[in-house]
Amino acid sequence: AQKITQTQPGMFVQEKEAVTLDCTYDTSDPSYGLFWYKQPSSGEMIFLIYQGSYDQQNATEGRYSLNFQKARKSANLVISASQLGDSAMYFCAMREGRGNTPLVFGKGTRLSVIA
Amino acid sequence: GAVVSQHPSRVICKSGTSVKIECRSLDFQATTMFWYRQFPKQSLMLMATSNEGSKATYEQGVEKDKFLINHASLTLSTLTVTSAHPEDSSFYICSAMGPSWQETQYFGPGTRLLVL
Repeated sequence: AQKITQTQPGMFVQEKEAVTLDCTYDTSDPSYGLFWYKQPSSGEMIFLIYQGSYDQQNATEGRYSLNFQKARKSANLVISASQLGDSAMYFCAMREGRGNTPLVFGKGTRLSVIA
Repeated sequence: GAVVSQHPSRVICKSGTSVKIECRSLDFQATTMFWYRQFPKQSLMLMATSNEGSKATYEQGVEKDKFLINHASLTLSTLTVTSAHPEDSSFYICSAMGPSWQETQYFGPGTRLLVL
């Protein structure tokens, strides 16, 4: 079974509008972390936001916020006031446990911001 | 955020040659580094986990004799693709994290390998 599921291969959003990128996860470990990364065409992986499994509040970083629904095992990324530069691939990832474990990535969502 | 560098950014080589890719954490000590591989339009696939001073742990299906990983210091890990073949052409990207499990993984800029 996939640990991270991103069901939207591609999304379009109008400039200045908000967009939600979906992510669901599967784990039986009570300790885990959820991450979102942006990958522009250059290939670099840019860290956007992190949510820990014990965090009580949803994480926010500037225009990025993470809608963490623990019971539903979802960690959707919300980008407010989209900009043309937001066009990129977006990956949701999870790290399980408390050790130095690797990230497991979803298949990604390609976001295109339209002027 | 923390800075991770990767060198070279792009390499073209002939089939049968070996290629070494370096991953450095520039402003923190990385006890663990990870190597990923990404084919076009696909996600990142973990190849191996590298802990400083110990042997790397390879994921199932990754040939450890073909993809040699060395993590000799807290700031440097290397991936050597031995006897590269065209099917090894891919985007290789490393990430590093410090000693705390709560820390974010920071990625290098990646290396595009093309084997002719």
